[in-house]
Amino acid sequence: KNQVEQSPQSLIILEGKNCTLQCNYTVSPFSNLRWYKQDTGRGPVSLTIMTFSENTKSNGRYTATLDADTKQSSLHITASQLSDSASYICVVSAARGSYIPTFGRGTSLIVHP
Amino acid sequence: DAGVIQSPRHEVTEMGQEVTLRCKPISGHDYLFWYRQTMMRGLELLIYFNNNVPIDDSGMPEDRFSAKMPNASFSTLKIQPSEPRDSAVYFCASRPTSGSSGELFFGEGSRLTVL
Repeated sequence: KNQVEQSPQSLIILEGKNCTLQCNYTVSPFSNLRWYKQDTGRGPVSLTIMTFSENTKSNGRYTATLDADTKQSSLHITASQLSDSASYICVVSAARGSYIPTFGRGTSLIVHP
Repeated sequence: DAGVIQSPRHEVTEMGQEVTLRCKPISGHDYLFWYRQTMMRGLELLIYFNNNVPIDDSGMPEDRFSAKMPNASFSTLKIQPSEPRDSAVYFCASRPTSGSSGELFFGEGSRLTVL
């Protein structure tokens, strides 16, 4: 069964600090992995996509990594801001059928001033 | 483009009442998804359509739930009769037929409270 596990479940950090969120998956065969950001009361929005051949990708202060061998991904946030407070959801798509994605349960990040 | 549009944003109803949630996908997107989000279970796929045809409804929890897509620009999710455990945020998302990229574009959600 395709599964996506995220850790930690929640995280509280001070503004300006860095943090790293983790994602482990068992989706096979692998197509791509996305990180979504979901602000409170809003729908999720894609931050970045990782394909099999990519190890690292940056989007501003967000850097995603992918290790396809160990089936792990991380999302690193540098110099956190209050606006980074949100839920971050790891989503993995299999390379078959209609590429229907499997969602993790998300990591809730709170950035305190 | 206005994005995926959902209505209502908030719905409070009493147990046993019928609830209808509505969704307008992004024009040109061939796939439409309905998700339910709770604190305990995260985002759960209920059903998805391709070219207005339901493809997989295995996530629909019970016969009380039904979904339709009469045309490419409109879909409904109906709960009849509603129960308190149906309280959740329901999201609609759409996606173009773009192979393996598969980014989902979500609406703002409909928060349902069943008393």
